[in-house]
Amino acid sequence: GQQLNQSPQSMFIQEGEDVSMNCTSSSIFNTWLWYKQEPGEGPVLLIALYKAGELTSNGRLTAQFGITRKDSFLNISASIPSDVGIYFCAGQIASGASGTYKYIFGTGTRLKVLA
Amino acid sequence: DTAVSQTPKYLVTQMGNDKSIKCEQNLGHDTMYWYKQDSKKFLKIMFSYNNKELIINETVPNRFSPKSPDKAHLNLHINSLELGDSAVYFCASSQGPTAQYFGPGTRLTVL
Repeated sequence: GQQLNQSPQSMFIQEGEDVSMNCTSSSIFNTWLWYKQEPGEGPVLLIALYKAGELTSNGRLTAQFGITRKDSFLNISASIPSDVGIYFCAGQIASGASGTYKYIFGTGTRLKVLA
Repeated sequence: DTAVSQTPKYLVTQMGNDKSIKCEQNLGHDTMYWYKQDSKKFLKIMFSYNNKELIINETVPNRFSPKSPDKAHLNLHINSLELGDSAVYFCASSQGPTAQYFGPGTRLTVL
């Protein structure tokens, strides 16, 4: 089945550094979503991308929908300790019957920020 | 106000038991989902309902039976629980093919 390769798997960075992570696939996606998950909580939506080439920001976060529709990246600028968590990408594809769709999730990037 | 809520938050039970997890969303969305997150944090879709109708069933064992009494609720019943069912189960909702919003999760532990 379709897979989403997310990298890096984990990152240890110093507070104030910028962070970049990405997701790639051999499949074409219609929508890309980026989530953050903290321990004991559900994934929280950070950014939604609906068009190829779209670049969207949310505070210190910036994400782009790759022009080939097969990839997306998320950047975090000037990281702070509360950025710690697992970041997931999710790509939407058609699923089986006409008009249905599903999201495939990446394997996650575990981010740790050292103060 | 809670957007997507699940109960219970934690569920510890013996192998062979039957249990249910409930989910409610107050976002007015028409589509709801159940996901399973394993110990490696991998998220995989199990079911999707649109306006109370099942639209996705990702080859989940028959022991898992979702039920949607109305479009704001999607419950998950699990029969004859097995050790491998231990995981965190997330409910989510969306308005059609747009961004999904997740609940806080139910951590199921089967002993």
